[in-house]
Amino acid sequence: DIQMTQSPASLSASVGDRVTITCRASQGISNYLAWIQHKPGKAPKSLIYAASHLHSGVPSKFSGSGSGTDFTLTISSLQPEDFATYYCQQYYSYPLTFGQGTRLEIK
Amino acid sequence: VQLLESGGGLVQPGGSLRLSCAASGFTFNNFAMAWARQAPGKGLEWVTSISGRSGHTYYADSVKGRLTISRDNSQNILYLQMNSLRAEDTAMYYCAKGLGVGATWFEFDYWGQGILVTVAT
Repeated sequence: DIQMTQSPASLSASVGDRVTITCRASQGISNYLAWIQHKPGKAPKSLIYAASHLHSGVPSKFSGSGSGTDFTLTISSLQPEDFATYYCQQYYSYPLTFGQGTRLEIK
Repeated sequence: VQLLESGGGLVQPGGSLRLSCAASGFTFNNFAMAWARQAPGKGLEWVTSISGRSGHTYYADSVKGRLTISRDNSQNILYLQMNSLRAEDTAMYYCAKGLGVGATWFEFDYWGQGILVTVAT
């Protein structure tokens, strides 16, 4: 199985900040990498697929990059609605696996 | 796109449950579907996927032989038959739509709100 490791596990930031979350795969996954946002009690929301492509309706303040084993999610100009848990997920091979999540909190 | 899960609840260990996911707002048989779950205090975990037309399926090892995904393309409903349930199956279960018809490289697109399954005596 491909292990996905995110860092940091949690992150405190202020409204207006720019933050970056990293994700590392235990083996190369090309660009078969997605980022998902999840708020408590809500449906998860898919943000990015193929490492850098925004899903329909996702604002351009979210951006993704990377290929192979190392990936990043950057969120610019943080707003209150952006505070959530973010997961990376590989779909290069089964079983599909998620990172452990990065909890983004308001400072 | 709307995905509405139903059928969850409390079940004893060893028991069975069938989850349903009613889909609308897209051409159901043109897209792969999946179930994922989140146990209390844990992260997201993929459970199973099914392709749009051929019905090809994939399962996590932890559920293989106990959980079965299926779909009714005439009714736009995704199912998860859950047998021989264990305490570790306790979780919020999410139905999800894929980006394409195939499930070989499954990209999560839209997600449902989730349905709670509790396995306990």
